[in-house]
Amino acid sequence: SQTIHQWPATLVQPVGSPLSLECTVEGTSNPNLYWYRQAAGRGLQLLFYSVGIGQISSEVPQNLSASRPQDRQFILSSKKLLLSDSGFYLCAWSGQGRQPQHFGDGTRLSIL
Amino acid sequence: KQEVTQIPAALSVPEGENLVLNCSFTDSAIYNLQWFRQDPGKGLTSLLLIQSSQREQTSGRLNASLDKSSGRSTLYIAASQPGDSATYLCAVLMDSSYKLIFGSGTRLLVRP
Repeated sequence: SQTIHQWPATLVQPVGSPLSLECTVEGTSNPNLYWYRQAAGRGLQLLFYSVGIGQISSEVPQNLSASRPQDRQFILSSKKLLLSDSGFYLCAWSGQGRQPQHFGDGTRLSIL
Repeated sequence: KQEVTQIPAALSVPEGENLVLNCSFTDSAIYNLQWFRQDPGKGLTSLLLIQSSQREQTSGRLNASLDKSSGRSTLYIAASQPGDSATYLCAVLMDSSYKLIFGSGTRLLVRP
């Protein structure tokens, strides 16, 4: 069966520090991969999605970037974190096409 | 631009009650609609997915309906239990995108 892993589960970082959140999927190949953010008091918002290695689409302009160095690995990064980057970050995967999306357990990011 | 609204934002009911959660969307060009459950600090668990051509889906005590033309979906929970306490999110997948567009959720508390 397919599983999705995100780490770390929680992270506290100072403003201006770099960020790297990792997501990996097991049990499937060539998945679509997604990064969402859930800010306090707001709904989930898609940040990035990828349909293949090295193919990244950005949904909103921001301080973050994403990379997909391997088929089942999706990384969310920032060179310098802002206070507004705080939130709950969720990774998801789906089969190719418009298959249902399956979510990881999320990373709670707090910026001090 | 698609907007998804969930009413009510919060709901508290005694155990055993039947309840209805509402979701509305402004653009009817959807591919499907999903209902998710989110426990505090956790990721999303998919409950029901309704394709745009379907009217309803059922799983156990849950029943979701979809009226695409009027832009509405409901999630019916029968015989509610304290374990049903969570935030319920609806999300639509557009015909033209991979992006799930989420409502802000309904926070449900089922009192013993």
